Amino acid sequence: GAVVSQHPSRVICKSGTSVKIECRSLDFQATTMFWYRQFPKQSLMLMATSNEGSKATYEQGVEKDKFLINHASLTLSTLTVTSAHPEDSSFYICSARDLAGGDSYEQYFGPGTRLTVT
Amino acid sequence: GQNIDQPTEMTATEGAIVQINCTYQTSGFNGLFWYQQHAGEAPTFLSYNVLDGLEEKGRFSSFLSRSKGYSYLLLKELQMKDSASYLCAVRDSNYQLIWGAGTKLIIKP
Repeated sequence: GAVVSQHPSRVICKSGTSVKIECRSLDFQATTMFWYRQFPKQSLMLMATSNEGSKATYEQGVEKDKFLINHASLTLSTLTVTSAHPEDSSFYICSARDLAGGDSYEQYFGPGTRLTVT
Repeated sequence: GQNIDQPTEMTATEGAIVQINCTYQTSGFNGLFWYQQHAGEAPTFLSYNVLDGLEEKGRFSSFLSRSKGYSYLLLKELQMKDSASYLCAVRDSNYQLIWGAGTKLIIKP
């Protein structure tokens, strides 16, 4: 089956620093990747949609200058949290849409990255 | 606006059957998904419905009624490992996934 990896799985950083999270589709090509954030006991919140070779589309309320997304290839998208603050501490999850996939099994999720900003 | 409703929490007994309901109001409809999410982990795909009726997959089944804006996930022969959150998501006319808040299922021995 389609596999999506994320790195790192956990990261602790100091307030004011930047953190980069990688999302890779391992055995399929993904023209579109999605970045989600999930706070404890809450549902997934879509942050942005990342399309290979073009600028990401951000959801309302998400600061594009703070959450930089780069989708440089069909298998890699990165999310950089710039000047992180404690309120950015969350579970960040990416998902990828299979270029060759059928209608139903479109999004495959990575294992998530737990970010803690101290 | 777009809205997905599902119960916040449910409790069931090991070996029993539980039904988790989901109602939705979205701008268009291009399929409904159920995902399972264990605490601290990413969601995993369970089922997909785009036509009315029941889709069965082992111990899990999912039902859809588009006219009623309603779906349910049925879990049979419950096991302790089924304790998790179950997320209902609808794909709207723009092919965006609209997520419910999830139902936390607690299985008791």
